[in-house]
Amino acid sequence: NAGVTQTPKFQVLKTGQSMTLQCAQDMNHNSMYWYRQDPGMGLRLIYYSASEGTTDKGEVPNGYNVSRLNKREFSLRLESAAPSQTSVYFCASSSPANTGELFFGEGSRLTVL
Amino acid sequence: AQSVTQLGSHVSVSEGALVLLRCNYSSSVPPYLFWYVQYPNQGLQLLLKYTSAATLVKGINDFEAEFKKSETSFHLTKPSAHMSDAAEYFCAVRANSGGYQKVTFGTGTKLQVIP
Repeated sequence: NAGVTQTPKFQVLKTGQSMTLQCAQDMNHNSMYWYRQDPGMGLRLIYYSASEGTTDKGEVPNGYNVSRLNKREFSLRLESAAPSQTSVYFCASSSPANTGELFFGEGSRLTVL
Repeated sequence: AQSVTQLGSHVSVSEGALVLLRCNYSSSVPPYLFWYVQYPNQGLQLLLKYTSAATLVKGINDFEAEFKKSETSFHLTKPSAHMSDAAEYFCAVRANSGGYQKVTFGTGTKLQVIP
């Protein structure tokens, strides 16, 4: 069972470079999310997509853009990376049928120099 | 508005001892509550969830949590710690917000198990 798959797992960028984190889920879930995890701060929501064709800002959206390409795929783009965006990024998905339980990918560790 | 407070960013217990990780929540509507576990270099996985069916919830690996509305708490316990329980644990609360299942996480508690 693949579940939620994220790529890449590791990435090093220089300040100002751009990149896209890819996420795909095979559970037919409606909702998808991007979180970032920083030490001592738990998980903070960057963007979410409640259903195919919709996206909305979370707590910390500045510096990011997202695309819900289809029901399976939800990508996160950094247009001009900054050192403050060094973090571990997690994609997750959920379905109303499972009372909001989130299913997470294994994470993408991004370092911006 | 909803929030979660986890008391203690680090907890150490001896192998075989009781594990108690504390979580208090605030929510303007009846909440769904979750505990997730994160092992090193992995994503989060669900340990257990409270969805109003029963106040004492049992999860995987002998963990359980009790929902106490009067104390707005959802503490996680395990009778006997095992070395494999060393991980970071996150409490989370979910409430509907305009049709979107908004989930708010606590800041996490790292559990160390001492042999």
